[in-house]
Amino acid sequence: QAQLEESGGGVVQPGRSLSLSCAASGFTFSYYGMHWVRQAPGKGLEWVAFISYDGSTKYYADSVKGRFIISRDNSKNTLHLQMNSLRAEDTAMYYCAKPGVPGALTYFDFWGQGTLVTVSS
Amino acid sequence: DIVMTQSPDSLAVSLGERATINCKSSQSVLYSSNNKNYLGWYQQKPGQPPKLLIYWASTRESGVPDRFSGSGSGTDFTLTISSLQVEDVAVYYCQQYYSTPLTFGGGTKVEIK
Repeated sequence: QAQLEESGGGVVQPGRSLSLSCAASGFTFSYYGMHWVRQAPGKGLEWVAFISYDGSTKYYADSVKGRFIISRDNSKNTLHLQMNSLRAEDTAMYYCAKPGVPGALTYFDFWGQGTLVTVSS
Repeated sequence: DIVMTQSPDSLAVSLGERATINCKSSQSVLYSSNNKNYLGWYQQKPGQPPKLLIYWASTRESGVPDRFSGSGSGTDFTLTISSLQVEDVAVYYCQQYYSTPLTFGGGTKVEIK
């Protein structure tokens, strides 16, 4: 059974940075591309970023492009999201999500519980 | 970007009755080379992450009750709950994975009438 545990959320001032992590277990992490998805309070789901199984390919939503960096450490089964130049509109629960098919951009068959990021002065 | 539009925004259904949620994509999510619709459905209960119900538009995820079914092709899709149970109260989202950015519908809240 896959497990994903996000950490690193908190309250941060606008313009500052924050780093999120997602510890993965229960599946062969290095076979899977991984995603970050966020959800603003009381709102819907927004895909944020994807990284391929080997880290060579990355995609970002336009809303975070140039500010957020997705990365991974396959030796530690960990996914990261470096968030820079944070804005109030980045306030959300951030989920890491595992795709249902290794190495592909597909549906998400498992989600972590999320970590809450609040951007406020 | 592919825009996903769900309807209705909310619906109230009596226990044991059918609930139908619609999802329309701004362009086809049917990949002609494999004849698969790149469309998934998720259920989200308060305080929980989303849970995958359906993928490839009509394939039920393991462990999902068979009262949940997905249908449709191209740009028009439907999630049906054949006999609503108390535990089905949730928000439901469709998602396309045909192209980046991956996009979700706005969600449909299902309640008991």
